[in-house]
Amino acid sequence: ELQMVESGGGLVQPGRSLRLSCAASGFTFDDYAMHWVRQAPGKGLEWVSGISWNSGNIGYADSVKGRFTISRDNARNSLYLQMNSLRAEDTAWYYCAKDHMLVPGTGTFFDYWGQGILVTVSS
Amino acid sequence: DIQMTQSPSSLSASVGDRVTITCRASQSVSSFLSWYQQKPGEAPKLLIYAISSLQSGVPSRFSGSGSGTDFTLTISSLHPEDFATYYCQQSYTTPALTFGGGTKVEIK
Repeated sequence: ELQMVESGGGLVQPGRSLRLSCAASGFTFDDYAMHWVRQAPGKGLEWVSGISWNSGNIGYADSVKGRFTISRDNARNSLYLQMNSLRAEDTAWYYCAKDHMLVPGTGTFFDYWGQGILVTVSS
Repeated sequence: DIQMTQSPSSLSASVGDRVTITCRASQSVSSFLSWYQQKPGEAPKLLIYAISSLQSGVPSRFSGSGSGTDFTLTISSLHPEDFATYYCQQSYTTPALTFGGGTKVEIK
C-alpha cells in the first residue's frame, strides 16, 4: 500500500528553523517527483516546493524562496523540507505529495498525499 | 502567477442533487487542470486530472469539463460522502503551481 508519513512539525518561535521529513513506502520513490503543499488553518492549499526524481530540478513558491530548502534521499525513500527564518504566516499543515511525473512541471498533479504535519510559528 | 478563481465559495445541496462547481483561470492553462476533494481533518484526494480524466477508484458520478480558462466539476448525484471542499489546480505555468480558493459543499 502506498503511504507517505510526515514528521518533524511542532511549535517554533519566529526566526527559528525546523526540518520536516516525509517517509515514503509502497512505490518506487525515485521514479517520481515530490512536493510539499501547505494549508494554513481554515484556509486553502498553497504549493510550497517541488523536486525532481534526481534532485536536478527544484522549484519554490515566491513566499518561501530563500528561506526553505527541499531535498530528497532516494536511498532512504525520504523527502525533506528545511525551513529557516520562520514567520507567523508559515503556520500551516504541511503535506508531502507525490507527483505522477519524474520532473515537476507542466502537467504536474498530485496523485497521493501524506496525512500532513502541523507547523505552528509563534512566540 | 496564474490566478485560479472558484465559484461559488460554498453551496448547500441535498443528497441526490446535481452539483456544479466552476473554476476560472486568469489566463489559459490549456488542459493542465486538476480537481481535488478534501474532507475535514483529511488530506486532499485527487479526483480528476487533465480536465476530465478520472483518477483510478473515483466514482463515475464525478466528471470534469472545460477548456482554456473555464472549467467545471460536476457531481451528477450527490452522495452523503461527497460533502467536502473541492479545489482546482493548474500546472500550465511552473514552478508556480496554483490552486483555486476552494468550494465547500454542505448539507442543505
